[in-house]
Amino acid sequence: GQQVMQIPQYQHVQEGEDFTTYCNSSTTLSNIQWYKQRPGGHPVFLIQLVKSGEVKKQKRLTFQFGEAKKNSSLHITATQTTDVGTYFCAGRNRDDKIIFGKGTRLHILP
Amino acid sequence: NAGVTQTPKFRVLKTGQSMTLLCAQDMNHEYMYWYRQDPGMGLRLIHYSVGEGTTAKGEVPDGYNVSRLKKQNFLLGLESAAPSQTSVYFCASSKVGALSYNEQFFGPGTRLTVL
Repeated sequence: GQQVMQIPQYQHVQEGEDFTTYCNSSTTLSNIQWYKQRPGGHPVFLIQLVKSGEVKKQKRLTFQFGEAKKNSSLHITATQTTDVGTYFCAGRNRDDKIIFGKGTRLHILP
Repeated sequence: NAGVTQTPKFRVLKTGQSMTLLCAQDMNHEYMYWYRQDPGMGLRLIHYSVGEGTTAKGEVPDGYNVSRLKKQNFLLGLESAAPSQTSVYFCASSKVGALSYNEQFFGPGTRLTVL
């Protein structure tokens, strides 16, 4: 079946360093969403990308959707301790089904 | 608005016991979902509903049943619990529409342990 692969599974960075997580789908997506889950919490919606090649920014976070609408990335500039958590992408396929990646757990070293 | 609420927050079952998890949303959302989250596995869709009275299977439906008798409620049932169903269960809801701004709102989760 369709998969959404997310890498890396874990990432440890020093506070102030940048961080990037990548999502790759085996098929073309209608859109892709990104969620953040704090330790012990529930996923919280960050953003949705719909258009081919779309780039959106939220303060230190930059989200990209690939030209072929099969991949996406989330980049955090100058990480802070508040960025700790697991970041999930969720792709919506042509059958209107949502498939989550397995997430990237971000750990910040002080 | 309470958003999405889940009952109970924690539960311990013995193998073979049954239970029902309740999800309620007050946002008048059409779509509702049940996910399970296991370490290293991300979120996997169990069942979902696109409207009152409708349900559909997700990625991992075996061993679970659901009902959506009222628009605001989505129930997840385990008829005969197994240790493999030990997990954190999240309910979510969203507005209808394939390309509309349909973010999913998640509940706080239910941590279920089956002994």
